[in-house]
Amino acid sequence: GAGVSQTPSNKVTEKGKYVELRCDPISGHTALYWYRQSLGQGPEFLIYFQGTGAADDSGLPNDRFFAVRPEGSVSTLKIQRTERGDSAVYLCASSLMATSGRTGELFFGEGSRLTVL
Amino acid sequence: AQSVTQLDSQVPVFEEAPVELRCNYSSSVSVYLFWYVQYPNQGLQLLLKYLSGSTLVESINGFEAEFNKSQTSFHLRKPSVHISDTAEYFCAVIPIYSGAGSYQLTFGKGTKLSVIP
Repeated sequence: GAGVSQTPSNKVTEKGKYVELRCDPISGHTALYWYRQSLGQGPEFLIYFQGTGAADDSGLPNDRFFAVRPEGSVSTLKIQRTERGDSAVYLCASSLMATSGRTGELFFGEGSRLTVL
Repeated sequence: AQSVTQLDSQVPVFEEAPVELRCNYSSSVSVYLFWYVQYPNQGLQLLLKYLSGSTLVESINGFEAEFNKSQTSFHLRKPSVHISDTAEYFCAVIPIYSGAGSYQLTFGKGTKLSVIP
């Protein structure tokens, strides 16, 4: 597609449930990033992939959060045993290379809004 | 670690009036600086960036920002705003060095600019 695509755009779930959020980056982009934006806050880094591997997962808040990118394209962010505090907009971004991402050439999707009741 | 402060959460301004959105940062290392913009129902997109060279940088739609190292600021300005500038603006930084954490953007909380006809 022309841009970064994220699905679902909205997800409402109950506390304790498992959730998957999908990101389809721009074709050919090797680097992929997940950020989380809570209400009234700026985006916060979660994880960054270079190809298939997670090059930096230091932003994942705890072991309930996990992300994969098995073929170096689509990525899935997985959240187990969701809590109300996980409610946020989850943003995905991609860049042609990791170096271009570091100089601002990041392309963001519109985000997946997660609400945990 | 880095931090970014955007002092104004909301800025209303009349059409054709000038505007300044303030951004200050804190970092123990040198950083690249960015302004991202989020229009309603769209993803974040890069507005302008400072990497090196002239401390005054401009965007294609008339915004400019000046890097002030001594004041650790990167304020965004426009001499005459349009209705179409209504959006949320995020200031962000990333370390210049290559190493741990160097692919993580640190964002401010954002400033919502509302242009009043």
